[in-house]
Amino acid sequence: GAVVSQHPSWVICKSGTSVKIECRSLDFQATTMFWYRQFPKQSLMLMATSNEGSKATYEQGVEKDKFLINHASLTLSTLTVTSAHPEDSSFYICSARLAGGNNEQFFGPGTRLTVL
Amino acid sequence: SQQGEEDPQALSIQEGENATMNCSYKTSINNLQWYRQNSGRGLVHLILIRSNEREKHSGRLRVTLDTSKKSSSLLITASRAADTASYFCATATSNTGKLIFGQGTTLQVKP
Repeated sequence: GAVVSQHPSWVICKSGTSVKIECRSLDFQATTMFWYRQFPKQSLMLMATSNEGSKATYEQGVEKDKFLINHASLTLSTLTVTSAHPEDSSFYICSARLAGGNNEQFFGPGTRLTVL
Repeated sequence: SQQGEEDPQALSIQEGENATMNCSYKTSINNLQWYRQNSGRGLVHLILIRSNEREKHSGRLRVTLDTSKKSSSLLITASRAADTASYFCATATSNTGKLIFGQGTTLQVKP
């Protein structure tokens, strides 16, 4: 089946630093990837849609300069949390859409970010 | 913004019983999907039902969709302790692939 990986699985950083999270589709090509954020005991909130070779589309209320997204290849999208603050601590999950599929998305295992 | 409301928010049952979770949404949809999430993990796709379908089965899972009421239900029959997880519905309103998730139902199956 389609597998999506994320790296790192968890990260702890100091306030003010930047953190990069990678999302890879391992055995399929994904022209579109999505980034979600999930706070404890809450649902997933879509942050942005990452399209290969073009700028990401951000959801309302998500700062594009704070959450930089790069989708440089058909198998890799990265999310960089810039100048991280404690309120950015969250579970970040990516998903990849199977090109030509029926809208099914395959989700990565998530990255737990803790900002001290 | 959240599209879906799910109820109940939490459900606790004994192993062997059936579990029913409901999801309501607000706008017209292309399809509706159900996902499962174990604590602290990523999501596992369970089942997708298109807007022109009314019922779908997959193993012990049964999903219904009522577009007139803008609601869906997920039934897990003969539940097992391993079914303990959070279950989310997600709606796709177009072919862009964007999914809007409901609030989720936390299911606990006691052995």
